[in-house]
Amino acid sequence: DAKTTQPPSMDCAEGRAANLPCNHSTISGNEYVYWYRQIHSQGPQYIIHGLKNNETNEMASLIITEDRKSSTLILPHATLRDTAVYYCIVRVSHDYKLSFGAGTTVTVRA
Amino acid sequence: EAEVAQSPRYKITEKSQAVAFWCDPISGHATLYWYRQILGQGPELLVQFQDESVVDDSQLPKDRFSAERLKGVDSTLKIQPAELGDSAMYLCASSLAYRGPSTDTQYFGPGTRLTVL
Repeated sequence: DAKTTQPPSMDCAEGRAANLPCNHSTISGNEYVYWYRQIHSQGPQYIIHGLKNNETNEMASLIITEDRKSSTLILPHATLRDTAVYYCIVRVSHDYKLSFGAGTTVTVRA
Repeated sequence: EAEVAQSPRYKITEKSQAVAFWCDPISGHATLYWYRQILGQGPELLVQFQDESVVDDSQLPKDRFSAERLKGVDSTLKIQPAELGDSAMYLCASSLAYRGPSTDTQYFGPGTRLTVL
């Protein structure tokens, strides 16, 4: 499986956009990029996933570079409730396993 | 919004005792997963069910752990006997199916926090 690299932590201001980077330089053509987050003492929450094209839903936007070697998760208007560990995961479409790394601890400050 | 249910939320037990965790997946989800998350780390898959059948239990410590999903709906994970190193969060997840990105998004429950004394 391709591995991902994420910064261990980042801060952002409430009300501003939060841009979370993820490097996946060895990603294969059939591997998707998934994002989950885990608020303290809760189970992981699915955010979004994509293959090549940029994706947007009610929670976030996912921007994948043309060469697919990196991606950015964008939380458009961060709130205090977005404070969590964010996991970027690459996964082959037929592989059921989610391989979680260390993630990025995002702290939203008032 | 449909959710994965787990109980209990917290469990404290002494080593060598037996413990059991229960999971009720989202209605209609054929695939069910049990993960273990040690404090400070990401979750790791223990076992996966497709309906009532085990698809993958390669990471399940079978000398002390067992999992079942008898009717293909809810599931139970058991540890007997519990050891100090089993202290962790036990997470259940479910997905509609397990092949194909349109159906295999996994949705997690709140977890059971196990403390072994």
